[in-house]
Amino acid sequence: GAVVSQHPSRVICKSGTSVKIECRSLDFQATTMFWYRQFPKQSLMLMATSNEGSKATYEQGVEKDKFLINHASLTLSTLTVTSAHPEDSSFYICSAEGTTGSYEQYFGPGTRLTVT
Amino acid sequence: DAKTTQPTSMDCAEGRAANLPCNHSTISGNEYVYWYRQIHSQGPQYIIHGLKNNETNEMASLIITEDRKSSTLILPHATLRDTAVYYCIVRGNQAGTALIFGKGTTLSVSS
Repeated sequence: GAVVSQHPSRVICKSGTSVKIECRSLDFQATTMFWYRQFPKQSLMLMATSNEGSKATYEQGVEKDKFLINHASLTLSTLTVTSAHPEDSSFYICSAEGTTGSYEQYFGPGTRLTVT
Repeated sequence: DAKTTQPTSMDCAEGRAANLPCNHSTISGNEYVYWYRQIHSQGPQYIIHGLKNNETNEMASLIITEDRKSSTLILPHATLRDTAVYYCIVRGNQAGTALIFGKGTTLSVSS
């Protein structure tokens, strides 16, 4: 089956620093990738839609200058949390969309970000 | 906003069938019903999806009512490893359409 990886799986950073999270589709090409975040005991919230070679589309309330998304190739999208603060601590999950059939989405294992 | 309604939680005995209901009364004609599950602290896992016919795969069966306003996910023989949050999502079949998650159903399987 389709595999999506994320790196790192866990990261702890100090307040004010930036953190980059990578999302890779390992055995298929993904024109579109999606970024979600999940706070404890809550559901996944869509942050942005990332299209290869173009600017990401952000959901209402998500700061595009704080959450920088780059989708430079058909297998890699990155999310950079800039000037991280404790309230950015969350579980960040990406998904990659297949290019055939019913455009199923496959999720990465998630990245646990803790900002101290 | 999510277009589905699911019970908050359900319990199931190990080895029995788990039947998880979902209401999606405002589903459009071109929207599919998708089911994903999320085990604690992991990314969601695809289970099954369908348009109007019932579907079955190695993980589960999906029963969609004739009017498509509701569906049921069936895990035929639940195991402890099936304990998870199950999400029912309706989504159009166009490229680039995100999955919008509701609150899901927390299924607890016990021995």
